[in-house]
Amino acid sequence: DAGITQSPRYKITETGRQVTLMCHQTWSHSYMFWYRQDLGHGLRLIYYSAAADITDKGEVPDGYVVSRSKTENFPLTLESATRSQTSVYFCASGPSGTHEQYFGPGTRLTVT
Amino acid sequence: TQLLEQSPQFLSIQEGENLTVYCNSSSVFSSLQWYRQEPGEGPVLLVTVVTGGEVKKLKRLTFQFGDARKDSSLHITAAQPGDTGLYLCAGARRSAGNMLTFGGGTRLMVKP
Repeated sequence: DAGITQSPRYKITETGRQVTLMCHQTWSHSYMFWYRQDLGHGLRLIYYSAAADITDKGEVPDGYVVSRSKTENFPLTLESATRSQTSVYFCASGPSGTHEQYFGPGTRLTVT
Repeated sequence: TQLLEQSPQFLSIQEGENLTVYCNSSSVFSSLQWYRQEPGEGPVLLVTVVTGGEVKKLKRLTFQFGDARKDSSLHITAAQPGDTGLYLCAGARRSAGNMLTFGGGTRLMVKP
């Protein structure tokens, strides 16, 4: 089915472990985004990508790594998870020429 | 201080009442979007407004972009329990490429 999916939907990991959150879209949108949503902070942009092999930092990039080898995939890696990275993570995609963004269902990550 | 301030932060009303949610900034936006987010899901795009003074209607929802493109409002007529959710405004600035700045959100509860 067309759309944007995220996996896993829920993840519990320990401090210091590496964890990768996956995002896949079937619209062939040029732009993809990673946000985290926390109470009191709203949605904050972590990284975004304008096309395959082009990525750029958002508002809160520290502790995160992204890659985009294919247009449809945009994984987010926490290289050494910390408790402060406990959050709900949303992936979004959007076509070039507009500012519209279409969000995935989110991944709830807990770092113990 | 957020670039986009939404008010009120919380709103609890009875079914059938009308309400207005505000999104204000001191910055000018090239476009502004409204999203609705339900618990456990990602935000869903409701509307994009582009022109100063523009008014768009989506059934019982009326969206307005300020003349100076610094603010927006969302008016709901005869609210229903299905309108319950978190309403987010997001602005695009020409200097920020395809990145959006999100407001902190208005959490609406409509009681039957």
